[in-house]
Amino acid sequence: DIQLTQSPSTLSASVGDRVTITCRASQSISTWLAWYQQKPGKAPKLLIYKASSLESGVPSRFSGSGSGTEFTLTISSLQPDDFATFYCQHYNSSPWTFGQGTKVEIK
Amino acid sequence: EVQLLESGGDLAQPGGSLRLSCGASGIIINNYGMNWVRQAPGKGLEWVSGMGVSAEGADYADSVKGRFTMSRDNSKNTLYLQMNSLRGEDTAVYYCASRRGYGYGMDVWGQGTTVTVSS
Repeated sequence: DIQLTQSPSTLSASVGDRVTITCRASQSISTWLAWYQQKPGKAPKLLIYKASSLESGVPSRFSGSGSGTEFTLTISSLQPDDFATFYCQHYNSSPWTFGQGTKVEIK
Repeated sequence: EVQLLESGGDLAQPGGSLRLSCGASGIIINNYGMNWVRQAPGKGLEWVSGMGVSAEGADYADSVKGRFTMSRDNSKNTLYLQMNSLRGEDTAVYYCASRRGYGYGMDVWGQGTTVTVSS
């Protein structure tokens, strides 16, 4: 099975900060990677698919990059609504897996 | 508007069974990839099973293979997850999620249904 490792696990940041989250795959997954945002008690929300494609309706401050085994999610200017937990997920082959999550907290 | 609504979550005994349902509106589930994802209390997301567009069979996580069966009833536009031989570690919120096509992520999610396995 392909393992995804996110870093950091927790991130403290202020409104307006540029934030980067990394996701590393245990083997190449091409660009078959998605990013989700989840707030407490809510279902996840798709932000990015195919590593760098922005889902419709998602603010342009979110961007994704990478291919193979290294991927990043960047928030260009952190907004109050962005404090949440973020997950990467691969869909290169079954079984799909998620990273362990990165919690973005208010500094 | 596309909506997914899960139901069937309950308290079950270890070794018992439950069947979860996911009713869809705004989409025809046979034309979408459909998935079940779960989240244990205080933990991260875990993909459980998935079925491709018009697919007959499903794929499963190793943790549920042989115990869970995913199916869909196209006449009812409803997805199911039959869960047998339940264990304590199956306790979680179960979400169904759709995928509008190959190459996309899971773009529509239900609100989740809670399964608790305990004696």
